[in-house]
Amino acid sequence: DIQMTQSPSSLSASVGDRVTITCRASQSISSYLNWYQQKPGKAPKLLIYAASSLQSGVPSRFSGSGSGTDFTLTISSLQPEDFATYYCQQSYSTPSTFGQGTRLDIK
Amino acid sequence: QLQLQESGPGLVKPSETLSLTCTVSGGSISSSSYYWGWIRQPPGKGLEWIGSIYYSGSTYYNPSLKSRVTISVDTSKNQFSLKLSSVTAADTAVYYCGRHHKSGYDLNWFDPWGQGTLVTVSS
Repeated sequence: DIQMTQSPSSLSASVGDRVTITCRASQSISSYLNWYQQKPGKAPKLLIYAASSLQSGVPSRFSGSGSGTDFTLTISSLQPEDFATYYCQQSYSTPSTFGQGTRLDIK
Repeated sequence: QLQLQESGPGLVKPSETLSLTCTVSGGSISSSSYYWGWIRQPPGKGLEWIGSIYYSGSTYYNPSLKSRVTISVDTSKNQFSLKLSSVTAADTAVYYCGRHHKSGYDLNWFDPWGQGTLVTVSS
């Protein structure tokens, strides 16, 4: 199985900050990388697919980049509703696997 | 707008079989562009893909669970179902269903997801 490792595991930031979350794959996955946001008690929500494509309806302050083994999710200017846990998912090979999550808290 | 809704018992005894159904509304489960999948999340932990099914019945399973998992589809009811046998406390989790986007032979991202249902394994 391909292992996905996110860093940091947790992060404190303030409204208006620029935040970057990293996801590293244990082998090359081309651009088969997706990002989700999960709020407490809710289902994950797709933000970014295929490494850099913004899902319809997702604010443009979210962006994704990377290919191969290293990927980033960037939030350009944090809003109060962005405080949540973020997961990456590789869809290069079966079984699809997720990172352990990055919890983003208010500083 | 496509919606998915999980249903089934919230409590299952150890060694028994967990059974859940996902009902799809606002769209057809028989679309050629999608698989339909199950993902679970133990309390306070991360996400694990269980398996996915096409409307024709073709399935992909996570090898770590394959010996205990059966996913089936009922296109007449626009539903798909999960059975997980010989459950233990380690199977306690929120179980989500989701639409699993495909392109060619590639299974890609999940969108949208159901709201999830907590299944507790306990005697």
